[in-house]
Amino acid sequence: SQTIHQWPATLVQPVGSPLSLECTVEGTSNPNLYWYRQAAGRGLQLLFYSVGIGQISSEVPQNLSASRPQDRQFILSSKKLLLSDSGFYLCAWRSREEAFFGQGTRLTVV
Amino acid sequence: AQSVSQHNHHVILSEAASLELGCNYSYGGTVNLFWYVQYPGQHLQLLLKYFSGDPLVKGIKGFEAEFIKSKFSFNLRKPSVQWSDTAEYFCAVIIYGNNRLAFGKGNQVVVIP
Repeated sequence: SQTIHQWPATLVQPVGSPLSLECTVEGTSNPNLYWYRQAAGRGLQLLFYSVGIGQISSEVPQNLSASRPQDRQFILSSKKLLLSDSGFYLCAWRSREEAFFGQGTRLTVV
Repeated sequence: AQSVSQHNHHVILSEAASLELGCNYSYGGTVNLFWYVQYPGQHLQLLLKYFSGDPLVKGIKGFEAEFIKSKFSFNLRKPSVQWSDTAEYFCAVIIYGNNRLAFGKGNQVVVIP
């Protein structure tokens, strides 16, 4: 069966520090992968999605970037975090029938 | 890019009341539609989906949704809610042949016993 792993679950980082959140999928090949940010009252904001290695579609110009170095690995990064980057980040992979979500990462920038 | 609208972000109702949550999308072509639910402290999980065929879709836990193409809508319904239906509900849309999966802002539903 397919599983999705996202880590860390929580993260506290100082302003100006780099960020790297990792997401990996098991049990499937060539998945469509997504990064979302979830905020109360704002739903799930799509940040990036990828249909294959090295292929990244960016939704919102911001302080974040994404990379897909391997088929089942999707990384969300920042070179210098801002206070406004605080939030709950979700990784997802999609089969034709539905999307499956990771446990999420609660990022607090201090 | 397609967008998804959900209104009435906060909904409070009593047990046994009927629930209807609206979802409208902005794309005029073929779409695949989803409703997800997130119970407190849990992952998002799929309630139901529409790809083609009968526009009235039945999902888990007594939920159903109706796709009305002329209205660009996919409203979620449940005739009689229970306290355990307290959760946040998200509508999602993906354009057929595309890979951009967009979600609405969600509806926070609270069912009072």
